[in-house]
Amino acid sequence: NAGVTQTPKFQVLKTGQSMTLQCAQDMNHNSMYWYRQDPGMGLRLIYYSASEGTTDKGEVPNGYNVSRLNKREFSLRLESAAPSQTSVYFCASSSSIGTLMNTEAFFGQGTRLTVV
Amino acid sequence: AQSVSQHNHHVILSEAASLELGCNYSYGGTVNLFWYVQYPGQHLQLLLKYFSGDPLVKGIKGFEAEFIKSKFSFNLRKPSVQWSDTAEYFCAVNPYGGATNKLIFGTGTLLAVQP
Repeated sequence: NAGVTQTPKFQVLKTGQSMTLQCAQDMNHNSMYWYRQDPGMGLRLIYYSASEGTTDKGEVPNGYNVSRLNKREFSLRLESAAPSQTSVYFCASSSSIGTLMNTEAFFGQGTRLTVV
Repeated sequence: AQSVSQHNHHVILSEAASLELGCNYSYGGTVNLFWYVQYPGQHLQLLLKYFSGDPLVKGIKGFEAEFIKSKFSFNLRKPSVQWSDTAEYFCAVNPYGGATNKLIFGTGTLLAVQP
């Protein structure tokens, strides 16, 4: 039972490079989320997707793009990485009916990204 | 804007002490409420959740939380902490009725339990 799988686990980028963080879930959840975690700031929502084919901005979307490829997969892309994007990134998924979740969010193991 | 406040940023307790971590949110409508725990180097794991019904919710590892709607609060409690409870604790809120669903987290409380 894999749950939420994120790749890669670690990544070092140079300023200006691009990369895509991959996330897949096998729980048939309709909602998926991308968060970044920084010390003292908790988890901040970057983007979320309530269903296949829809995406919405969260609190800190600048510098990121997302794709909900299908129901299972939700990727996060950094087009031109900046040192301010050094963080730990978590993907999560949940089931929801309309805007109300009917399960908790399940989290991936995280990606530790360093931009130098 | 909807927000979640955790007033205790860093808590240090001795083993067997009682724990209460505060969580308040700013949203007047229906909400789902969660407490997550993150052990060092790991991802977030669910401690407990409130969707409806009894406002006193029991979770794993002896944790419980009480939803007080009039105070917009969902405080986490444990009668007697153990060294293994050392972790960061996050309160999260899912507000119902907006354009799309969101799960909003507080800034977290770092708990250190001394043996």
